[in-house]
Amino acid sequence: EIVLTQSPGTLSLSPGERATLSCRASQSVSSSYLGWYQQKPGQAPRLLIYGASSRATGIPDRFRGSGSGTDFTLTINRLEPEDSAVYYCQQYGTALFTFGPGSKVEIK
Amino acid sequence: EVQLVESGGGLVKPGGSLRLSCAASGFSFNTYTMTWVRQAPGKGLEWVSSISSSSSYLIYADSVQGRFTISRDNAKNSLSLQMNSLRAEDTAVYYCARVRWELRYLDVWGKGTTVTVSS
Repeated sequence: EIVLTQSPGTLSLSPGERATLSCRASQSVSSSYLGWYQQKPGQAPRLLIYGASSRATGIPDRFRGSGSGTDFTLTINRLEPEDSAVYYCQQYGTALFTFGPGSKVEIK
Repeated sequence: EVQLVESGGGLVKPGGSLRLSCAASGFSFNTYTMTWVRQAPGKGLEWVSSISSSSSYLIYADSVQGRFTISRDNAKNSLSLQMNSLRAEDTAVYYCARVRWELRYLDVWGKGTTVTVSS
């Protein structure tokens, strides 16, 4: 089973700054099968990125996914107050889906 | 509008059973793989089970294998999760989600239904 590790656990930034979130896999992941989700308190997760770097419908271009192999990154440029949330990476491999533990982004 | 609405959650004693349902609308349900994901209180997301469009392919997380059964009724645009031998650690919000199988991501999520296993 591929284990996903996310860092940092919590990130506190000001509006307008850039957030860089890391997702590291215990073994190589197909880039095609790497996604990122945003979850705000009391809400269901929302798809942000699929295929490691493709934005989902309606996601602003401030959100950018990159990476390959075992290292993937979600970059959020020009942070806005509504970006305050927990961000999860997700992969599919060997007949199961796994999620990372999440990174919390706080906006000061 | 594409929509998923879960139901069937509630309070159940350890060892008990519960059946969750997910009603789909606004898309061709019978062409999509569907999945259940859960989230324990204050914890992260955990994939539970997935079912292919024709029900020919079922997969489960090790944590629920042998206790939970996923199924679907394409005629009724409905997804189900039969949960037996429930444990305290099954307490969670259960989400159903649509899977885009070509790239293995979950693009539509329901709002979730809460399952509490407690005596």
